[in-house]
Amino acid sequence: EAGVTQFPSHSVIEKGQTVTLRCDPISGHDNLYWYRRVMGKEIKFLLHFVKESKQDESGMPNNRFLAERTGGTYSTLKVQPAELEDSGVYFCASSQNLQGTQYFGPGTRLTVL
Amino acid sequence: AQKVTQAQTEISVVEKEDVTLDCVYETRDTTYYLFWYKQPPSGELVFLIRRNSFDEQNEISGRYSWNFQKSTSSFNFTITASQVVDSAVYFCALWAVIQGAQKLVFGQGTRLTINP
Repeated sequence: EAGVTQFPSHSVIEKGQTVTLRCDPISGHDNLYWYRRVMGKEIKFLLHFVKESKQDESGMPNNRFLAERTGGTYSTLKVQPAELEDSGVYFCASSQNLQGTQYFGPGTRLTVL
Repeated sequence: AQKVTQAQTEISVVEKEDVTLDCVYETRDTTYYLFWYKQPPSGELVFLIRRNSFDEQNEISGRYSWNFQKSTSSFNFTITASQVVDSAVYFCALWAVIQGAQKLVFGQGTRLTINP
């Protein structure tokens, strides 16, 4: 069974540009999560989808971040416009049910110059 | 407040030594889950173990063992006879319902280096 996949693995952009990160969860997992780790700090929750609905987006830093999960399959996280402080590793995770173990993807390392 | 503390930022040992990674958590919930994840140099987060708050039995899986003690709010991880391949960043995490939402709260991670 394929695990959680994320694309791209790395992205280097300039301040003010737009970047879109993609996550494909494990097949059949209704719950999809986004987390972020900025340099040297803990991994922090961004938001949670149940199928195509946003269950909780309390961790989204500001309105420059937009997450979607059309059709309840893969998800995208767009940052527009990117700022320097957005640099970090963005992880996606999925779980079969709300209390299920979250399995993580390899992450996308975003560098904003 | 929900919080996970991994006081050890970095640990370095020589191969074959035993090493324990500490994890202390805080939560007011009576139902919660605790996790350990491993992040090898390749970057992905690999799930290692999950324990629920009602099961304090220690667990052993090969060279790995976990000691869950509710009395001290700790969930420590021991690697016996460490190997170079164990080198990674290890994260302890707490899953609980926080203000109506379910999410993982992570510690800051412990970077473990096993030297040959």
